[in-house]
Amino acid sequence: AQSVTQLDSQVPVFEEAPVELRCNYSSSVSVYLFWYVQYPNQGLQLLLKYLSGSTLVKGINGFEAEFNKSQTSFHLRKPSVHISDTAEYFCAVIGRDNFNKFYFGSGTKLNVKP
Amino acid sequence: EAGVAQSPRYKIIEKRQSVAFWCNPISGHATLYWYQQILGQGPKLLIQFQNNGVVDDSQLPKDRFSAERLKGVDSTLKIQPAKLEDSAVYLCASRTEGVGNTIYFGEGSWLTVV
Repeated sequence: AQSVTQLDSQVPVFEEAPVELRCNYSSSVSVYLFWYVQYPNQGLQLLLKYLSGSTLVKGINGFEAEFNKSQTSFHLRKPSVHISDTAEYFCAVIGRDNFNKFYFGSGTKLNVKP
Repeated sequence: EAGVAQSPRYKIIEKRQSVAFWCNPISGHATLYWYQQILGQGPKLLIQFQNNGVVDDSQLPKDRFSAERLKGVDSTLKIQPAKLEDSAVYLCASRTEGVGNTIYFGEGSWLTVV
């Protein structure tokens, strides 16, 4: 089985500042990794995913994430955030031994202040 | 392409009453999931269908929760009788077959049990 740990439950940041949301995973097999965003009163929307190849993955809205196998991490970054990025962000993992089981972290609330 | 449709969006019921949520996945998606998301937590898988068969229902409280996916398309999740701790967002999601394919979420059904 896999598990995901999001180290920060809340991250406050000022507009136009850079941000990093941390995600670490645990798995005995190779994994695929995902970041989802949830805006207030909405479902989850895919930001980006890592399947293979380049460890730096670019997603929508200027976000990117880097897969680090040795540190079992998949941190999400944005060089300059906007007010509209205020939302909750979820990291998720799926093991390559079972393509149906998605495991989600507990989420990180990003609060962008003017 | 139409997304995952869910209804109702919001429901308030008294404890011990029953409630049903409906989900219509993206056309052609064989796998359908129901997740429970309690405030401040990540989504927790309740049940997963592959076409009209159950793949995983290990975390479904079967004494009060039931779900079906007749004809392998839309699905219904029922809670009877509801408890206060069932207050949550119930997210339906679907995905196609294939390695690392994305899960697409509906906007969720928000349940408040009073």
